[in-house]
Amino acid sequence: DAKTTQPNSMESNEEEPVHLPCNHSTISGTDYIHWYRQLPSQGPEYVIHGLTSNVNNRMASLAIAEDRKSSTLILHRATLRDAAVYYCILRDMGSGGSNYKLTFGKGTLLTVNP
Amino acid sequence: GAGVSQSPSNKVTEKGKDVELRCDPISGHTALYWYRQSLGQGLEFLIYFQGNSAPDKSGLPSDRFSAERTGGSVSTLTIQRTQQEDSAVYLCASSLGTYPGNTIYFGEGSWLTVV
Repeated sequence: DAKTTQPNSMESNEEEPVHLPCNHSTISGTDYIHWYRQLPSQGPEYVIHGLTSNVNNRMASLAIAEDRKSSTLILHRATLRDAAVYYCILRDMGSGGSNYKLTFGKGTLLTVNP
Repeated sequence: GAGVSQSPSNKVTEKGKDVELRCDPISGHTALYWYRQSLGQGLEFLIYFQGNSAPDKSGLPSDRFSAERTGGSVSTLTIQRTQQEDSAVYLCASSLGTYPGNTIYFGEGSWLTVV
Protein backbone atom coordinates (compact mmCIF):
# COMPACT_ATOMS: atom_id res chain seq x y z
CA ASP A 1 0.00 0.00 0.00
CA ALA A 2 1.13 3.54 -0.74
CA LYS A 3 2.36 5.39 2.34
CA THR A 4 0.76 8.43 3.98
CA THR A 5 2.37 11.02 6.25
CA GLN A 6 0.43 12.92 8.89
CA PRO A 7 1.45 15.20 11.76
CA ASN A 8 1.57 13.37 15.07
CA SER A 9 -0.73 15.84 16.78
CA MET A 10 -2.76 19.00 16.28
CA GLU A 11 -4.73 21.30 18.52
CA SER A 12 -7.85 23.26 17.88
CA ASN A 13 -10.34 25.37 19.75
CA GLU A 14 -13.96 24.45 20.01
CA GLU A 15 -16.21 25.82 17.25
CA GLU A 16 -13.25 26.69 15.05
CA PRO A 17 -12.44 24.96 11.75
CA VAL A 18 -9.75 22.30 11.72
CA HIS A 19 -7.64 21.35 8.72
CA LEU A 20 -5.92 17.98 9.07
CA PRO A 21 -3.26 17.44 6.39
CA CYS A 22 -2.11 14.21 4.81
CA ASN A 23 0.73 13.73 2.34
CA HIS A 24 0.69 10.80 -0.05
CA SER A 25 3.28 11.66 -2.65
CA THR A 26 3.50 8.09 -3.99
CA ILE A 27 -0.25 7.73 -4.53
CA SER A 28 -1.23 5.77 -7.62
CA GLY A 29 -4.02 6.61 -9.99
CA THR A 30 -6.17 3.83 -8.56
CA ASP A 31 -5.83 4.72 -4.87
CA TYR A 32 -8.84 5.97 -2.95
CA ILE A 33 -8.14 8.35 -0.06
CA HIS A 34 -9.98 7.29 3.09
CA TRP A 35 -10.23 8.99 6.47
CA TYR A 36 -11.18 7.19 9.63
CA ARG A 37 -11.10 8.43 13.19
CA GLN A 38 -10.87 6.69 16.53
CA LEU A 39 -12.42 8.25 19.57
CA PRO A 40 -11.01 7.26 22.98
CA SER A 41 -11.88 3.68 23.93
CA GLN A 42 -13.83 3.06 20.72
CA GLY A 43 -13.28 1.30 17.43
CA PRO A 44 -12.39 3.38 14.38
CA GLU A 45 -15.24 5.01 12.49
CA TYR A 46 -15.48 6.05 8.87
CA VAL A 47 -15.32 9.78 8.19
CA ILE A 48 -15.06 10.32 4.45
CA HIS A 49 -13.36 9.11 1.30
CA GLY A 50 -12.63 10.39 -2.18
CA LEU A 51 -10.73 9.69 -5.37
CA THR A 52 -10.12 12.90 -7.29
CA SER A 53 -12.81 15.46 -6.55
CA ASN A 54 -13.46 17.24 -3.26
CA VAL A 55 -16.11 15.55 -1.16
CA ASN A 56 -18.54 16.76 1.48
CA ASN A 57 -20.67 14.85 3.94
CA ARG A 58 -22.37 15.57 7.22
CA MET A 59 -19.21 14.94 9.20
CA ALA A 60 -16.50 16.67 7.21
CA SER A 61 -15.10 17.79 3.89
CA LEU A 62 -12.21 16.28 2.00
CA ALA A 63 -10.08 18.54 -0.15
CA ILE A 64 -7.83 16.70 -2.59
CA ALA A 65 -4.93 18.46 -4.27
CA GLU A 66 -5.00 18.60 -8.04
CA ASP A 67 -1.96 16.31 -8.31
CA ARG A 68 -3.48 14.06 -5.59
CA LYS A 69 -0.21 14.01 -3.68
CA SER A 70 -1.88 15.50 -0.63
CA SER A 71 -5.31 15.92 0.90
CA THR A 72 -6.88 17.78 3.79
CA LEU A 73 -9.69 16.70 6.06
CA ILE A 74 -11.73 19.70 7.12
CA LEU A 75 -13.90 19.78 10.21
CA HIS A 76 -15.90 22.95 9.79
CA ARG A 77 -16.66 23.56 13.47
CA ALA A 78 -14.73 21.41 15.90
CA THR A 79 -16.54 20.14 18.95
CA LEU A 80 -15.16 18.40 22.02
CA ARG A 81 -16.55 15.15 20.56
CA ASP A 82 -14.20 15.50 17.60
CA ALA A 83 -11.16 14.86 19.80
CA ALA A 84 -9.77 11.65 18.35
CA VAL A 85 -6.96 10.09 16.34
CA TYR A 86 -7.54 10.74 12.64
CA TYR A 87 -6.16 8.26 10.11
CA CYS A 88 -5.54 8.99 6.44
CA ILE A 89 -5.42 5.71 4.51
CA LEU A 90 -5.01 4.81 0.85
CA ARG A 91 -6.94 1.88 -0.64
CA ASP A 92 -6.13 0.65 -4.13
CA MET A 93 -9.14 0.15 -6.38
CA GLY A 94 -7.08 -1.83 -8.86
CA SER A 95 -7.44 -5.57 -9.14
CA GLY A 96 -5.07 -7.74 -7.19
CA GLY A 97 -3.14 -6.73 -4.12
CA SER A 98 -4.63 -6.47 -0.65
CA ASN A 99 -6.92 -3.58 -1.35
CA TYR A 100 -9.64 -5.08 0.79
CA LYS A 101 -8.04 -4.13 4.10
CA LEU A 102 -7.17 -0.86 5.76
CA THR A 103 -3.56 -0.37 6.75
CA PHE A 104 -3.44 2.07 9.64
CA GLY A 105 -0.50 4.35 10.32
CA LYS A 106 -0.07 6.36 13.51
CA GLY A 107 -2.56 9.05 12.54
CA THR A 108 -2.97 12.55 13.96
CA LEU A 109 -4.12 13.03 17.52
CA LEU A 110 -6.52 15.97 17.51
CA THR A 111 -7.03 17.81 20.77
CA VAL A 112 -9.98 20.20 20.97
CA ASN A 113 -9.80 22.89 23.61
CA PRO A 114 -13.01 24.27 25.15
CA GLY B 1 -28.67 -3.06 16.67
CA ALA B 2 -27.39 -2.39 13.19
CA GLY B 3 -23.71 -2.27 14.03
CA VAL B 4 -20.92 -4.80 14.44
CA SER B 5 -21.38 -6.58 17.73
CA GLN B 6 -18.51 -8.09 19.72
CA SER B 7 -18.45 -10.20 22.85
CA PRO B 8 -17.25 -10.26 25.50
CA SER B 9 -16.57 -6.56 25.81
CA ASN B 10 -14.02 -7.28 28.52
CA LYS B 11 -12.16 -10.45 29.37
CA VAL B 12 -9.54 -11.12 32.02
CA THR B 13 -7.84 -14.48 31.72
CA GLU B 14 -4.92 -16.26 33.29
CA LYS B 15 -1.77 -16.84 31.33
CA GLY B 16 -1.92 -20.18 29.56
CA LYS B 17 -5.69 -20.32 29.23
CA ASP B 18 -7.54 -20.30 25.91
CA VAL B 19 -9.96 -17.51 25.02
CA GLU B 20 -12.62 -17.10 22.37
CA LEU B 21 -13.79 -13.75 21.08
CA ARG B 22 -16.97 -13.48 19.07
CA CYS B 23 -17.99 -11.10 16.30
CA ASP B 24 -21.43 -10.58 14.76
CA PRO B 25 -21.00 -8.54 11.58
CA ILE B 26 -23.61 -6.26 10.08
CA SER B 27 -26.26 -8.35 8.34
CA GLY B 28 -25.48 -8.84 4.66
CA HIS B 29 -21.82 -7.88 4.95
CA THR B 30 -19.67 -10.43 3.19
CA ALA B 31 -16.28 -9.11 4.29
CA LEU B 32 -15.12 -9.52 7.88
CA TYR B 33 -11.86 -8.37 9.45
CA TRP B 34 -10.07 -8.79 12.76
CA TYR B 35 -7.61 -6.21 14.01
CA ARG B 36 -5.63 -5.91 17.23
CA GLN B 37 -4.62 -2.77 19.08
CA SER B 38 -2.19 -2.95 21.97
CA LEU B 39 -2.12 -0.17 24.54
CA GLY B 40 -0.88 3.04 22.92
CA GLN B 41 -0.17 1.29 19.62
CA GLY B 42 -1.64 1.37 16.16
CA LEU B 43 -4.12 -1.06 14.67
CA GLU B 44 -2.62 -4.31 13.47
CA PHE B 45 -4.41 -6.40 10.83
CA LEU B 46 -4.90 -10.03 11.85
CA ILE B 47 -7.20 -11.87 9.45
CA TYR B 48 -9.79 -11.27 6.72
CA PHE B 49 -12.74 -13.31 5.47
CA GLN B 50 -14.63 -12.72 2.23
CA GLY B 51 -17.56 -14.92 1.37
CA ASN B 52 -16.48 -18.49 0.66
CA SER B 53 -12.94 -17.53 -0.33
CA ALA B 54 -9.94 -18.73 1.63
CA PRO B 55 -9.23 -16.27 4.45
CA ASP B 56 -6.19 -14.03 4.45
CA LYS B 57 -4.40 -15.11 7.62
CA SER B 58 -1.23 -13.18 6.91
CA GLY B 59 -1.55 -10.98 9.99
CA LEU B 60 -1.93 -13.68 12.62
CA PRO B 61 1.09 -13.28 14.93
CA SER B 62 1.56 -16.94 15.83
CA ASP B 63 -0.04 -20.37 15.47
CA ARG B 64 -1.73 -19.82 18.83
CA PHE B 65 -4.13 -17.54 17.00
CA SER B 66 -6.90 -18.88 14.78
CA ALA B 67 -10.22 -17.67 13.51
CA GLU B 68 -13.20 -19.11 11.77
CA ARG B 69 -16.34 -17.77 10.23
CA THR B 70 -19.37 -20.00 10.23
CA GLY B 71 -22.08 -19.72 7.61
CA GLY B 72 -20.57 -16.57 6.24
CA SER B 73 -21.73 -14.62 9.26
CA VAL B 74 -20.50 -14.94 12.85
CA SER B 75 -16.76 -15.16 13.42
CA THR B 76 -14.75 -16.44 16.38
CA LEU B 77 -11.15 -15.51 17.10
CA THR B 78 -9.44 -18.06 19.32
CA ILE B 79 -6.21 -17.49 21.21
CA GLN B 80 -4.68 -20.62 22.71
CA ARG B 81 -2.29 -20.66 25.67
CA THR B 82 -2.59 -16.92 26.14
CA GLN B 83 0.49 -14.87 26.96
CA GLN B 84 0.73 -11.46 28.60
CA GLU B 85 1.73 -9.88 25.29
CA ASP B 86 -1.68 -10.92 23.92
CA SER B 87 -3.29 -8.26 26.11
CA ALA B 88 -4.93 -5.82 23.71
CA VAL B 89 -8.20 -4.68 22.24
CA TYR B 90 -9.39 -7.04 19.54
CA LEU B 91 -11.50 -5.22 16.97
CA CYS B 92 -13.82 -6.82 14.47
CA ALA B 93 -15.04 -5.02 11.37
CA SER B 94 -17.25 -5.77 8.39
CA SER B 95 -18.10 -4.30 5.02
CA LEU B 96 -20.52 -4.97 2.18
CA GLY B 97 -17.71 -6.00 -0.11
CA THR B 98 -14.13 -5.33 -0.92
CA TYR B 99 -14.50 -2.46 -3.35
CA PRO B 100 -12.27 0.31 -1.95
CA GLY B 101 -15.24 2.64 -1.87
CA ASN B 102 -17.01 0.36 0.59
CA THR B 103 -17.04 1.63 4.14
CA ILE B 104 -15.60 -0.67 6.80
CA TYR B 105 -17.57 -0.63 10.03
CA PHE B 106 -15.84 -1.47 13.31
CA GLY B 107 -17.21 -2.89 16.51
CA GLU B 108 -16.43 -1.54 19.96
CA GLY B 109 -13.81 -4.21 20.54
CA SER B 110 -13.11 -6.93 23.05
CA TRP B 111 -10.65 -5.82 25.70
CA LEU B 112 -8.44 -8.77 26.65
CA THR B 113 -6.21 -8.72 29.71
CA VAL B 114 -3.91 -11.66 30.38
CA VAL B 115 -2.66 -11.84 33.97
